[in-house]
Amino acid sequence: GQQVMQIPQYQHVQEGEDFTTYCNSSTTLSNIQWYKQRPGGHPVFLIQLVKSGEVKKQKRLTFQFGEAKKNSSLHITATQTTDVGTYFCASQGGSEKLVFGKGTKLTVNP
Amino acid sequence: DAGVTQSPTHLIKTRGQQVTLRCSPKSGHDTVSWYQQALGQGPQFIFQYYEEEERQRGNFPDRFSGHQFPNYSSELNVNALLLGDSALYLCASSLRDYGYTFGSGTRLTVV
Repeated sequence: GQQVMQIPQYQHVQEGEDFTTYCNSSTTLSNIQWYKQRPGGHPVFLIQLVKSGEVKKQKRLTFQFGEAKKNSSLHITATQTTDVGTYFCASQGGSEKLVFGKGTKLTVNP
Repeated sequence: DAGVTQSPTHLIKTRGQQVTLRCSPKSGHDTVSWYQQALGQGPQFIFQYYEEEERQRGNFPDRFSGHQFPNYSSELNVNALLLGDSALYLCASSLRDYGYTFGSGTRLTVV
């Protein structure tokens, strides 16, 4: 079935360093969504990418959707302690249900 | 605030019991999806309701059932609880398939 694989599973950085998480699929995705879940919290929608090669920015966050629509990345520039949490990619593939990756847990050392 | 509301926030049940979790969608949303999130894992899709019918279902046994009411609110029922059912249960509402908004979840502990 539809799956999205996310790497790395964990990432520990020093405050100020950059961070990137990658999401890959063996099938073409209709869209990719990114969520952030703070410790003890619930997933919060960050962004949705739909077009091949699409790049969107939100302050220090840059989201990319691959040309083949089979991969995506989230890059955070100059991490801050407020960036701590687990970042999930999710996709609807060709069906309605939203399927999540396993997430990348980011910890930031002040 | 017209976000997604879930109740209860926490629940402790004994093996074999039954549980009902509730979800009120965000204002303007007509679709409700339920997810199970085990500790340290990503949310796993249980099922989705639209127009009071189950539209899609994930790989969960029949012990998991649901309902959507005319006002778009929804319930998740789990029968014959197992220890492995302990998890955070998340409800997400959307307008058809766009704009997923998650509730804060119900933390279910089965003992």
